[in-house]
Amino acid sequence: NAGVTQTPKFRILKIGQSMTLQCTQDMNHNYMYWYRQDPGMGLKLIYYSVGAGITDKGEVPNGYNVSRSTTEDFPLRLELAAPSQTSVYFCASSFRAGRSYEQYFGPGTRLTVT
Amino acid sequence: DAKTTQPNSMESNEEEPVHLPCNHSTISGTDYIHWYRQLPSQGPEYVIHGLTSNVNNRMASLAIAEDRKSSTLILHRATLRDAAVYYCILSDSQGGSEKLVFGKGTKLTVNP
Repeated sequence: NAGVTQTPKFRILKIGQSMTLQCTQDMNHNYMYWYRQDPGMGLKLIYYSVGAGITDKGEVPNGYNVSRSTTEDFPLRLELAAPSQTSVYFCASSFRAGRSYEQYFGPGTRLTVT
Repeated sequence: DAKTTQPNSMESNEEEPVHLPCNHSTISGTDYIHWYRQLPSQGPEYVIHGLTSNVNNRMASLAIAEDRKSSTLILHRATLRDAAVYYCILSDSQGGSEKLVFGKGTKLTVNP
C-alpha cells in the first residue's frame, strides 16, 4: 500500500490565484482530514470527511473548500489565495474503530503565497 | 484548544531511556490518550494510544496515572532517529468526528 499520497510537494502561488491540493489514500479508510501547520506550531484541522459525500468544517475552514466524491480522494481547494494561507498542508485518513483509531498522514504540501 | 500540557523541549542521550510527560487534568472518562510524533519535514506518525491501562508496542510504552490526569511516553532506548516533536493528544469525539487537536508538543533532541 502507498498509504496517503499528496500532490504537489511544493507550490508557490500569487495572491488571488486558486489551486487544488490532491490527497489519495489506498487503505479504504472512511475518515479523511486536512490539516495545516504554520511554522513552530501544531497542526490545525481545516476540514474532515466521515465518508464519500459527507464533509464538515474543522477549526480553520475559512478560505478553503473540500469535496469527497470517492472513498479514496479528498481534494482541498484554495480560492483567492492569501499570504495567511502560507503553510504546510497535511492530509490524513483513518478507519474508525470506536475511539481507538489511528490517523495516517501524508508527506505534506508546502505552499507559499506571495 | 489543546487539553494537554507538555514541556516545550527535552534532551536525551543515545541509547538511554526517555520519559516524555503529559498533563491532562481535564480528561473525561471516555477520552483516549494518543501520542504522535513528527520527524523533521515529515507528516506526523502514530506512536501509541491508551485508555486506562499501561500499553506497550514495538515503538514505545505508555504509562497512564491511576487518576488519568497525566501520562508518560517511554522510549526505552533512544536513537538518533527518535529526534522529533512528540504530541500528546486527547481524542475529541464531539460531534462524532473524533478529531485530533494538536498542541505544540515536546521537541526531543537526542545527543550521540
